Amino acid sequence: EAQVTQNPRYLITVTGKKLTVTCSQNMNHEYMSWYRQDPGLGLRQIYYSMNVEVTDKGDVPEGYKVSRKEKRNFPLILESPSPNQTSLYFCASSLSRGTGREETQYFGPGTRLLVL
Amino acid sequence: GESVGLHLPTLSVQEGDNSIINCAYSNSASDYFIWYKQESGKGPQFIIDIRSNMDKRQGQRVTVLLNKTVKHLSLQIAATQPGDSAVYFCAEKVTFGNEKLTFGTGTRLTIIP
Repeated sequence: EAQVTQNPRYLITVTGKKLTVTCSQNMNHEYMSWYRQDPGLGLRQIYYSMNVEVTDKGDVPEGYKVSRKEKRNFPLILESPSPNQTSLYFCASSLSRGTGREETQYFGPGTRLLVL
Repeated sequence: GESVGLHLPTLSVQEGDNSIINCAYSNSASDYFIWYKQESGKGPQFIIDIRSNMDKRQGQRVTVLLNKTVKHLSLQIAATQPGDSAVYFCAEKVTFGNEKLTFGTGTRLTIIP
């Protein structure tokens, strides 16, 4: 089944304790992205990756890191989490920077993070 | 279930009726638009898309209308069913830009049995 998976789905942590949220897609998609969703603010892009070893900042990159060492995986790293990073996180992927359905982004199920 | 947003615009529709959800987008350079459906506890799910060279596109029970003059997008759902209850987001993008989707704030649709 074609899908985007995220782990963990739920995570409670404490301020300053490094954590990684994994994202994996099995559709051979080139483009991957991380979003966070907050009440009243909607979905905002954190980082994105056009292809392996190519990453760039989105709208709200502060406090986050990403890596894209292989096509299928795009982990989100919080080196020193803070309470303002409590949010619902979504990973998304699309086939390519094309036109038409190639550019449709498909979302994972989400990771709910609580930083105490 | 989880709340995906507080203070969302809400729309309540009787089961079997048609619903129309509206969205104003921000970037006049955007040329690709998508409607997503988000059910409680799940990620956004693709419903239908439209490119800027079209003003209407139909899918199964759904129709998207695009008015570029006023930067307005609408999603029409015909013969609504209880499973249509969800939060609906429009998203816009500039093709061959950075591929970033810019999302609207969403509308909560509730189907009344």
